[in-house]
This record gives sequence, structure tokens and C-alpha cells, in this order.
Amino acid sequence: GQQLNQSPQSMFIQEGEDVSMNCTSSSIFNTWLWYKQDPGEGPVLLIALYKAGELTSNGRLTAQFGITRKDSFLNISASIPSDVGIYFCAGQKARGSRLTFGEGTQLTVNP
Amino acid sequence: DAGVIQSPRHEVTEMGQEVTLRCKPISGHNSLFWYRQTMMRGLELLIYFNNNVPIDDSGMPEDRFSAKMPNASFSTLKIQPSEPRDSAVYFCASTRGAGGLEKLFFGSGTQLSVL
Repeated sequence: GQQLNQSPQSMFIQEGEDVSMNCTSSSIFNTWLWYKQDPGEGPVLLIALYKAGELTSNGRLTAQFGITRKDSFLNISASIPSDVGIYFCAGQKARGSRLTFGEGTQLTVNP
Repeated sequence: DAGVIQSPRHEVTEMGQEVTLRCKPISGHNSLFWYRQTMMRGLELLIYFNNNVPIDDSGMPEDRFSAKMPNASFSTLKIQPSEPRDSAVYFCASTRGAGGLEKLFFGSGTQLSVL
């Protein structure tokens, strides 16, 4: 079945460092999304990408929709302790179709 | 505005018991989703409704699972009988419109433990 591979699975960084994570697939997705899940809560949408090559920012977060439509990247600049959580990528084949979620990247930020 | 409201937040039950999870979507949202999250399988879509009608229930594990949406402001997910392998966090999510299914608003989840 469809599968999204996220890497790395976990990251331990110091406050102030930049973070990069990515999501790849063997098949094409026409929408890519990034969600963040805080401990004990549900995922929250961070960024949605709708066009190949699109680069979108949300504060210190920047995400890119890969040219091949088979991958996406998320960067966090100048990390802070509240960035801690699990970051999920999600892909959607067509508008209105179900999402496929990646396995998540667990981010730990040491003060 | 209130977000998606789920209850209970935690449920501990014994194998064989019936479990009912509840969800109130965001007012005005007409699509509702039930997800299950486990370490092994990540986030899995169980079922989703559009305008109170089940659209895709292919993710429902087996006949022990059932979901209903009697009106636009309430949905239940029932497991009968429950088994230890059903232990997971169950999320409800909602969104507005059938075309924007990617912008999901999740509840805080129900942590289910079946002993």
C-alpha cells in the first residue's frame, strides 16, 4: 500500500539549532502537509503545499513540495523548547481523497 | 471557538467489555474522521463521514468496531467486545467541505487501555 517514509525517526538538538526533516514516497502525491503533535494532544496542521516546487513558510517553519511530487521537506530555524513534539508529513493523492500519514519524526530540544 | 471535543480522555476497561468513544466536531464542519494511533502502525484512518453519511469505512479493523453519526454535532465509535490489541489513542478530526479534507482539526484523543 501507500507509504510515506519520514527521516530521521528522532532528533535531539540544542535550543537555537536549525532542524531539517524529510518525507519520501515511491508514488506521487498532489498535496503535501506537515502536522505537529504535542504530547498528549492531537496533530495540528502547520503547513499545506499544493504545487510541485512550492516553498511555504509559517514563522520559523519552512516547507517545500518536491519537484518530483514524491517528497517534501520541513525546516525549523532557531529551535526553541516548545518545538518539542512529533512532526508528521501527510500526502494526498487528489483533492478530497484520504490522507496518508508518515511515521513521524520525534523532536527533542534541549534548553 | 471550541475545537473538536472528545470524551473520555482516558478509558481503562477489561477485555470483552463494550467501549464507546464520543466526539463533537467543530460547529459548521461537515466531514468527520476517526483515526487510531499506535506505535506500531502510526496514524490509521478508520472511517470518515461527510454530511453524517459514512463515506469510507475500509479502515475499520473488523466487525467489533462500529461508528455512527446521528447528527452533525455528534459521533460515536464503539468497540464490542474490546480486546487488548485495541489499546491505542483514538482521535476524532473534523473539517469543512468535502474538497478540503487535508485541513483536519484533531481532538485531543481518547487513550484506550484494554486489560
